[in-house]
Amino acid sequence: SQWGEENLQALSIQEGEDVTMNCSYKTYTTVVQWYRQKSGKGPAQLILIRSNEREKRSGRLRATLDTSSQSSSLSITGTLATDTAVYFCATDYQGGSAKLIFGEGTKLTVSS
Amino acid sequence: GPKVLQIPSHQIIDMGQMVTLNCDPVSNHLYFYWYKQILGQQMEFLVNFYNGKVMEKSKLFKDQFSVERPDGSYFTLKIQPTALEDSAVYFCASSLRLGGQYFGPGTRLTVL
Repeated sequence: SQWGEENLQALSIQEGEDVTMNCSYKTYTTVVQWYRQKSGKGPAQLILIRSNEREKRSGRLRATLDTSSQSSSLSITGTLATDTAVYFCATDYQGGSAKLIFGEGTKLTVSS
Repeated sequence: GPKVLQIPSHQIIDMGQMVTLNCDPVSNHLYFYWYKQILGQQMEFLVNFYNGKVMEKSKLFKDQFSVERPDGSYFTLKIQPTALEDSAVYFCASSLRLGGQYFGPGTRLTVL
């Protein structure tokens, strides 16, 4: 597997809290993409961060990428109950490939 | 935003039968993908398709699998014959360029 064991986790927090999810990868990549998958739905892309970027923001979301340690994080500030979902990071296999390799995901539950 | 549609949402068939899963990708997209997700597990890449040809496929894309997009219509995944281990949710995705894939809601395939 190209993903570290720390990817497999479940987090339960209260609405309004901030949360950070991490993932690590083993194979070279040119992009890391973060997706959110709500129950019974397909994944929806949240942020795409390229290997020459260290940080990217979108609304309440912030993604970071550290290519030297081959790790990425996704932070959500001021969580809402509607943020409850499984969050995946994915890489383009060995860089420049069209296929996405997904991590196992973090199941985030936000209680109101 | 752009939407990928998948038909049907749920298909139940007997082992050994043929099944065709249909995907209506975003209209101007050029790259098409199928992914497989077994309940509770991570999403896994099956195949991608561009300019009428398979570009990459994984070891999960068995000889019984085929894909096509005749005349710009549905992008289809055909499994013939089906096996019990083919039971999963199959997600179609499309993208205009490499990166930034839009996913459909999935087709749940149950092979009895």
